[in-house]
Amino acid sequence: NAGVTQTPKFQVLKTGQSMTLQCAQDMNHEYMSWYRQDPGMGLRLIHYSVGAGITDQGEVPNGYNVSRSTTEDFPLRLLSAAPSQTSVYFCASNNHGGVAAFFGQGTRLTVV
Amino acid sequence: AQKVTQAQTEISVVEKEDVTLDCVYETRDTTYYLFWYKQPPSGELVFLIRRNSFDEQNEISGRYSWNFQKSTSSFNFTITASQVVDSAVYFCALSEADFGNEKLTFGTGTRLTIIP
Repeated sequence: NAGVTQTPKFQVLKTGQSMTLQCAQDMNHEYMSWYRQDPGMGLRLIHYSVGAGITDQGEVPNGYNVSRSTTEDFPLRLLSAAPSQTSVYFCASNNHGGVAAFFGQGTRLTVV
Repeated sequence: AQKVTQAQTEISVVEKEDVTLDCVYETRDTTYYLFWYKQPPSGELVFLIRRNSFDEQNEISGRYSWNFQKSTSSFNFTITASQVVDSAVYFCALSEADFGNEKLTFGTGTRLTIIP
């Protein structure tokens, strides 16, 4: 059972490039979320989804797009990367009524 | 709006000492969940505990214990007889019950260093 899998683990982008951070879960969880972790800021919610076809914005959504075409996958897209998006990104999933969110291992993104 | 405050940015204690990590939260909801997560140096987030707003019983799990007090909006975490493996960043988090766990509001974390 893989749980929540994020790829890649590390990525360096140039300003203005685009990329997609992948997140997949094999637990048939309804809910999935993306967070970013910055020094001294804790984790902040970017976007979340309560089921396939349904997404909504979190606290810091600007510069990011998401879609949820299947229950298993919840990719995060950066359309035009900026240095301010240098961060560690975590994907999480859980079920309604579940005990807690399961987090992926994180993706460390550097934008130069 | 929800808010979680972890005023202690960094704490260092000598091994075998007890240590308490503070967490104060703000929410307008009467039903909510509180969490603690551990982030060891390897970087993953490890779930430790969830407590709902209607359950103020303290909880003990081995060397870990949690004290939830609605009167002071606090959910503090105590490690007894600390060990080097407890060195990590600890996050307190809050979610509104209507949304479940997919919308967590995190504190800024407390970096705990256990000195051997």
